[in-house]
Amino acid sequence: KNQVEQSPQSLIILEGKNCTLQCNYTVSPFSNLRWYKQDTGRGPVSLTIMTFSENTKSNGRYTATLDADTKQSSLHITASQLSDSASYICVVSYLLGGSYIPTFGRGTSLIVHP
Amino acid sequence: EAGVTQSPTHLIKTRGQQATLRCSPISGHTSVYWYQQALGLGLQFLLWYDEGEERNRGNFPPRFSGRQFPNYSSELNVNALELEDSALYLCASSLGVDGELFFGEGSRLTVL
Repeated sequence: KNQVEQSPQSLIILEGKNCTLQCNYTVSPFSNLRWYKQDTGRGPVSLTIMTFSENTKSNGRYTATLDADTKQSSLHITASQLSDSASYICVVSYLLGGSYIPTFGRGTSLIVHP
Repeated sequence: EAGVTQSPTHLIKTRGQQATLRCSPISGHTSVYWYQQALGLGLQFLLWYDEGEERNRGNFPPRFSGRQFPNYSSELNVNALELEDSALYLCASSLGVDGELFFGEGSRLTVL
């Protein structure tokens, strides 16, 4: 069964600190992995995409890693800001009949305190 | 370029009533997805439409239904509303390239 597990479920950090969110998946065959950021009451927005051949990708203060062998990904946030408070969702997709089928994790809720 | 738009933003209904939610995808996107997000929970897949046809549906009862119109806009219908249907309903569209989903801001359904 295709599954995406995220940890921790929630995280509280102080402004300026770094943090790392984890994503483990069993989706097969793997096509790509995306991290989305969802502000409270808003729709999710894509932060970064990882394909099989990529190990690390950065988007500003966000750095995603992928280990396709162990089926794990992480999202590292550097020098956190209050605006980073949101839910971070890991989505792993596989290809079926030419269409990408996404499997969503339940998300990690991050709260950044001043 | 306009993003995914959803209407209404908020909707209040009572048990047993019907709700209709609408979604307009980004121009050129042919796939539309519907998700339910109950308070504090993750996104639960409801329905996927592509080129006017239902391609897949999640583990929801038949009272959740929808359709996609020739202009690729979509509507989600929820019949015989129950209290637990209260949630944020998110619509997303996709061009089908690398699977990126573009989400609307959602419709907040409250069932009293």
